[in-house]
Amino acid sequence: DAKTTQPPSMDCAEGRAANLPCNHSTISGNEYVYWYRQIHSQGPQYIIHGLKNNETNEMASLIITEDRKSSTLILPHATLRDTAVYYCIVKAQGGSEKLVFGKGTKLTVNP
Amino acid sequence: ETGVTQSPTHLIKTRGQQVTLRCSSQSGHNTVSWYQQALGQGPQFIFQYYREEENGRGNFPPRFSGLQFPNYSSELNVNALELDDSALYLCASSTAGWFSYNEQFFGPGTRLTVL
Repeated sequence: DAKTTQPPSMDCAEGRAANLPCNHSTISGNEYVYWYRQIHSQGPQYIIHGLKNNETNEMASLIITEDRKSSTLILPHATLRDTAVYYCIVKAQGGSEKLVFGKGTKLTVNP
Repeated sequence: ETGVTQSPTHLIKTRGQQVTLRCSSQSGHNTVSWYQQALGQGPQFIFQYYREEENGRGNFPPRFSGLQFPNYSSELNVNALELDDSALYLCASSTAGWFSYNEQFFGPGTRLTVL
């Protein structure tokens, strides 16, 4: 079973920031928080991951609370192409660890 | 750098038949994972192959089997197809290793319909 809890859906206006929350209260010390997204009819796409510090890349920012029990993925200026299902996953780092997906959050960016 | 490719894109089979799905990993990756995604659900881990050996398996019956070849391409085989096997099948390639920072990169998937 997935170790994360996410809202099933969210809406965001184009050009505004999208803030997607995730709860992972049972996260272990060696587990990272990963975010993937899946645009309709495509394979999931890696977005970002972090351990305890906030992370930023060209796609998004990841804010992890100090107790690591929750996090927020931020898309700073959402576009229509950001409409997708966003998955928050906790796992140990490395390419050999399986990904355990929940149902994710369906983000709809509206014009 | 080429991405992960899968074939075929779509496939229709009847119950009881066998099917083979193919995946070509991203260049330089030595690990491939297969996932099944039913409609409206998140992907579910089937199994993973590393250096041609199975390296972890999810809760799927033995009629789901796989192969990984020396060039790191891979196959997923499903025997005795059931209606519930209808799903999107995804493969993901990565580089295994304790200090690996290389995450999993997914292909576009194969949509299997079992009638």
